[in-house]
Order: sequence, then structure tokens, then C-alpha cells
Amino acid sequence: SQKIEQNSEALNIQEGKTATLTCNYTNYSPAYLQWYRQDPGRGPVFLLLIRENEKEKRKERLKVTFDTTLKQSLFHITASQPADSATYLCALGQTGANNLFFGTGTRLTVIP
Amino acid sequence: GAVVSQHPSRVICKSGTSVKIECRSLDFQATTMFWYRQFPKQSLMLMATSNEGSKATYEQGVEKDKFLINHASLTLSTLTVTSAHPEDSSFYICSAQESSYNSPLHFGNGTRLTVT
Repeated sequence: SQKIEQNSEALNIQEGKTATLTCNYTNYSPAYLQWYRQDPGRGPVFLLLIRENEKEKRKERLKVTFDTTLKQSLFHITASQPADSATYLCALGQTGANNLFFGTGTRLTVIP
Repeated sequence: GAVVSQHPSRVICKSGTSVKIECRSLDFQATTMFWYRQFPKQSLMLMATSNEGSKATYEQGVEKDKFLINHASLTLSTLTVTSAHPEDSSFYICSAQESSYNSPLHFGNGTRLTVT
């Protein structure tokens, strides 16, 4: 069956450290992968997109990697801040289809 | 830019009544809009995909007669939950997509529906 798993439901880290979130998928062949941030009671907000032929993407303190052999994406937040505390969702997209399949999310808490 | 407005943010209704939720793209034209449902601590579950002027495509297991979707213009889609029951209580979120198939989704802030 198709699954998108994000490493842990919750992750706590100390302010200033790098947070690393994992997204693993099975029985998908994604053409691209997106990461979103969701705050409680709000809709998700787009952060980054990475395509299947890209290994890495960066945006300010964010970095995403995409390994189609391992069927995994890693999402890093460097120099984390308490304001980074939120739930982070990965989402897979397939060629020719514009709907996304979402993972269950990881709730990140950055401790001051 | 790319703001999606969803209204209402919260609604409480009695069992058996119908509720309409609106989703508007404020500063762009949305070729496609999506409706999701989210349960506590769970992921977004796609309910249906709608394109302006055509019938919505529903995901397996989603009753089209219960969840009526209308996409009358490039900036407005509505979801009507008909004859609502307590099990329909959930967080409903819409999203809109501007153009190409891999462009980001812009989400509304969701509607918390409680059916008593």
C-alpha cells in the first residue's frame, strides 16, 4: 500500500541547533516533493519544492534533500528559533497530476 | 500575494442542517481548487478536486451527494456539507493552485465544523 511517513510525530530541539525532519515514502514515484508549515488552527503554508532530478534545495535557513533511491526527503532548519515551532508536512506530487499526497506531519518544538 | 480566504472559520450547526463553506483566491486566478479534511493529529485527506466550470472529481470514499462542491468562477469554490451529522465534525481546508501542476498550493485558514 502507499504510505508517506514522517519520522516522528513530535521533535523537540534546543534553540540554535539544526532540526532535521524526515519524510519516507513507499509505492509512490513522485515527480516532486513539497514541504509545508502548519500552525495550530491554520492552513499549511508552502515552504520549498524540490524536483526528482534535484538533490538539494536551499532557502535562507531551510534546506531540503531528495533521494529517490532511498525514497526519502530530509528537511533541515539551521540555527533554529522558537518561532520555527510548528507542524511540518511533506507532500508528494506525481507527473501530470496536480493534487498532492500529504504525510502525517512532524510537530517541531524549539526550546529557548 | 497568493492569498486564499476561507469563510467561515468556525461554524456550529445542528444535526440535519446544511453548511456552506466558501473559498476565495483574492489576488490570483485559481485554475484548480482542492478541498481537504483534517482530523486531529492526522494528515490532510484530499476530498475532491475542482476545476472552474466543470464537475468536481471526488476521491474514493467521499460521498459527492453529501459534500457538494461548486466552482463557479476562477476565484471562488464552495463546499456544502448537506444533512450534517456529528461524524462530519472536522477541520475542512481549501487550497488553490495558480497554474502548472507542480506549483505550490495556497491554503485557506480552514473551517472548524462542529455538528451537535
